[in-house]
Amino acid sequence: DARVTQTPRHKVTEMGQEVTMRCQPILGHNTVFWYRQTMMQGLELLAYFRNRAPLDDSGMPKDRFSAEMPDATLATLKIQPSEPRDSAVYFCASGPTGMNTEAFFGQGTRLTVV
Amino acid sequence: DAKTTQPTSMDCAEGRAANLPCNHSTISGNEYVYWYRQIHSQGPQYIIHGLKNNETNEMASLIITEDRKSSTLILPHATLRDTAVYYCIVRNNDYKLSFGAGTTVTVRA
Repeated sequence: DARVTQTPRHKVTEMGQEVTMRCQPILGHNTVFWYRQTMMQGLELLAYFRNRAPLDDSGMPKDRFSAEMPDATLATLKIQPSEPRDSAVYFCASGPTGMNTEAFFGQGTRLTVV
Repeated sequence: DAKTTQPTSMDCAEGRAANLPCNHSTISGNEYVYWYRQIHSQGPQYIIHGLKNNETNEMASLIITEDRKSSTLILPHATLRDTAVYYCIVRNNDYKLSFGAGTTVTVRA
């Protein structure tokens, strides 16, 4: 049963610390999305990649957030330094190329910055 | 991206059909209509998508009007497990999936 795997599922960290969230996309999927969800803002698209290259990261705060795909099986989202306002659930999704294809979401990483 | 408009919430009786409307009056000819849902504390789940024709799968049916300015997601026999937030999304050729506020559907016994 193919699925998008996100680690860790939960993370509590202190303000100022670096946070790294990881995502393993479904094998063969070459499009990867990162989303953030809060009660106030809903689901926000932070960035997405095609064939490991960033296509659009305009939704991401550039000063502290970075997203990469070191290889086709791993996508990372880093926050350095973290702030309490970064507390949210972060979702990764993957899909094949094309408008006529569905994207599958992971279960998310719940981040709490204290 | 073409904007979608959905009701904020709706109730549905268990065992009955749930009809979820979505307006997307600015949709372009090559943009698809996608539906996802999010059950509490889980990642969004793909339901169905379509371009012009009506579509059906094991989860739901999607009815798109001829002018494509609106669509309806139909859950044929709603169960309590269908309680979720349902998102209607118009997807264009930049492949982005941009979520709005969605419709909170509550299925009642």
